[in-house]
Amino acid sequence: GAVVSQHPSWVICKSGTSVKIECRSLDFQATTMFWYRQFPKQSLMLMATSNEGSKATYEQGVEKDKFLINHASLTLSTLTVTSAHPEDSSFYICSAKQPFAGATKEQFFGPGTRLTVL
Amino acid sequence: DAKTTQPPSMDCAEGRAANLPCNHSTISGNEYVYWYRQIHSQGPQYIIHGLKNNETNEMASLIITEDRKSSTLILPHATLRDTAVYYCIVFPNPNTGNQFYFGTGTSLTVIP
Repeated sequence: GAVVSQHPSWVICKSGTSVKIECRSLDFQATTMFWYRQFPKQSLMLMATSNEGSKATYEQGVEKDKFLINHASLTLSTLTVTSAHPEDSSFYICSAKQPFAGATKEQFFGPGTRLTVL
Repeated sequence: DAKTTQPPSMDCAEGRAANLPCNHSTISGNEYVYWYRQIHSQGPQYIIHGLKNNETNEMASLIITEDRKSSTLILPHATLRDTAVYYCIVFPNPNTGNQFYFGTGTSLTVIP
């Protein structure tokens, strides 16, 4: 199956700093990527849909100015958590969908990035 | 919003079949049923999907009722490595496009 990677796998930062998380599709080109957030013992919550070459679409309640998404190429999407605070500590997961896969094809998920804000 | 209902937790003896139910009573005609699992602190892993016919692959079988209002994921011979949270998702949602919306899932514990 297709492989999606994330970098870093974990990060610790100080409150008020910004953190960038990368999501890469390693063996396919992804026109659409998705970003999720998962708090401990909870399910994945979709944050935004990232489309190559255009602005991301954010889910209701997700601050677009705080969670900046850039999808500048067909293999890379980045999520930047700006001015991070302890409540932003979470597990961030991306997924990617192969182009021309049709609406019913599965998404491939990255391994996740654990963010801890002190 | 998730459109599925799953039991929060289940246990299964190692080597036995694990049967995980999912209720999706409001599923529409063009929506598929997808199953993913998430092992602790990892990204979700695709298992199987189907529309109305039963499906089988190397990981599992998917049984969908004739009215499509519920389905069961079957792991034929559960191993300790199958301990994970299993998510049933209906997709695509004609109102929301390509996005997956995860429900609460079933935490499966395989017992030695």
